[in-house]
Amino acid sequence: QVQLQESGPGLVRPSQTLSLTCTVSGGSISNVSYYWSWIRQPAGKGLQFIGRIYTSGSTDYNPSLKSRVTISVDTSKNQLSLRLSSVTAADTAVYYCARVRNLGVVIGWLDPWGQGTLVTVSS
Amino acid sequence: DIQMTQSPSTLSASVGDRVTITCRASQSITNRLAWYQQKPGKAPKLLIYMASTLESGVPSRFSGSGSGTEFTLTISSLQPDDFATYYCQQYNSYSPYTFGQGTKLEIK
Repeated sequence: QVQLQESGPGLVRPSQTLSLTCTVSGGSISNVSYYWSWIRQPAGKGLQFIGRIYTSGSTDYNPSLKSRVTISVDTSKNQLSLRLSSVTAADTAVYYCARVRNLGVVIGWLDPWGQGTLVTVSS
Repeated sequence: DIQMTQSPSTLSASVGDRVTITCRASQSITNRLAWYQQKPGKAPKLLIYMASTLESGVPSRFSGSGSGTEFTLTISSLQPDDFATYYCQQYNSYSPYTFGQGTKLEIK
């Protein structure tokens, strides 16, 4: 079955750019039945959707993060990536990637999720 | 953004109890709602999508209902493995996708 695995630095300095990669195994990131997404969760808090990307490269971002976020896909490596610029302590969270079901008229439940990776923003 | 409000925030119950968690949307989302279970240190796991469709492999004691703005997740007979935090998520509109704040189900 499809599995997702996040990777990247666990510590990022304030004002720098957070960069994470999600490697998809057991299935193709080019499958038209899915979008791919990033979600984050600060410690002890709820879930915030960051954005999603289609295999074509089309993206949708959370307006609250849009000016700082870039999500991209590398079909040759079966990976998606997240870049979040100008980070502050408020960006400290567990970051998850997840597959988004695409039925055309309905796009939206998330399954499966990666295990998550903790990113701490600190000097 | 569509706001999702879950109640209660915390629920104390015993093994064997029937429990219900409610999720309300700030505007109609038809039936475009999913439920997830999250255990400490783990990623959320999909339980239900399209408000009432049980994901493959999820025990039948879990059920979902509702449409429009009010939805419920019911666990018919709590098992020890069910104590976790539950989240609802709307996907009616990508403006963006939003989650409820979570309901922590604790052992009484």
